[in-house]
Amino acid sequence: AQSVTQPDIHITVSEGASLELRCNYSYGATPYLFWYVQSPGQGLQLLLKYFSGDTLVQGIKGFEAEFKRSQSSFNLRKPSVHWSDAAEYFCAVVLMEYGNKLVFGAGTILRVKS
Amino acid sequence: GAGVSQSPSNKVTEKGKDVELRCDPISGHTALYWYRQSLGQGLEFLIYFQGNSAPDKSGLPSDRFSAERTGGSVSTLTIQRTQQEDSAVYLCASSPPRRGYGYTFGSGTRLTVV
Repeated sequence: AQSVTQPDIHITVSEGASLELRCNYSYGATPYLFWYVQSPGQGLQLLLKYFSGDTLVQGIKGFEAEFKRSQSSFNLRKPSVHWSDAAEYFCAVVLMEYGNKLVFGAGTILRVKS
Repeated sequence: GAGVSQSPSNKVTEKGKDVELRCDPISGHTALYWYRQSLGQGLEFLIYFQGNSAPDKSGLPSDRFSAERTGGSVSTLTIQRTQQEDSAVYLCASSPPRRGYGYTFGSGTRLTVV
């Protein structure tokens, strides 16, 4: 079955440390890939997206993600985390063969300690 | 409008009552989606409207759930005979005509069935 996996339910990092959130998908074709962030009580905000071309994409708030076809991964990274980055992060994919709907991973909750 | 607007932001209803949740998408966005976010279930696709095409209802959990989109704009999600397990945050998103081009989410409606 097609799925999006975020293996880490919770991650805690120190402020100023680097961050990597993992995302893997199990689809045959290359999907459109997204990362969203959700702060407590807020809606989902798009951080970045990948459709084609350069496999390293830059997003808002200093985030970037790299698409690795061989690993079916789209990991999110940030070189230096700020306390305001504490939130829940969702990886999502769209497969043209299955319509236009977003399929989300289970999310990773990021805690930032000072 | 500038963003996706959802109303009400919070709704408390008694078990067995019907509720209507409203979504006003971004002007010009032809695609509209409803998702449900509940503890332990993550982000669950419900229904997708694209222009004048028949909606993709594959995610609706039961026949108590229905949605319509009038004039290709505002959408209403209706839950009949609400149950406690319907308690969740219902999120609406819209996107432009081209596939995969960023989905903008509203802030959601938090539904509590008591």
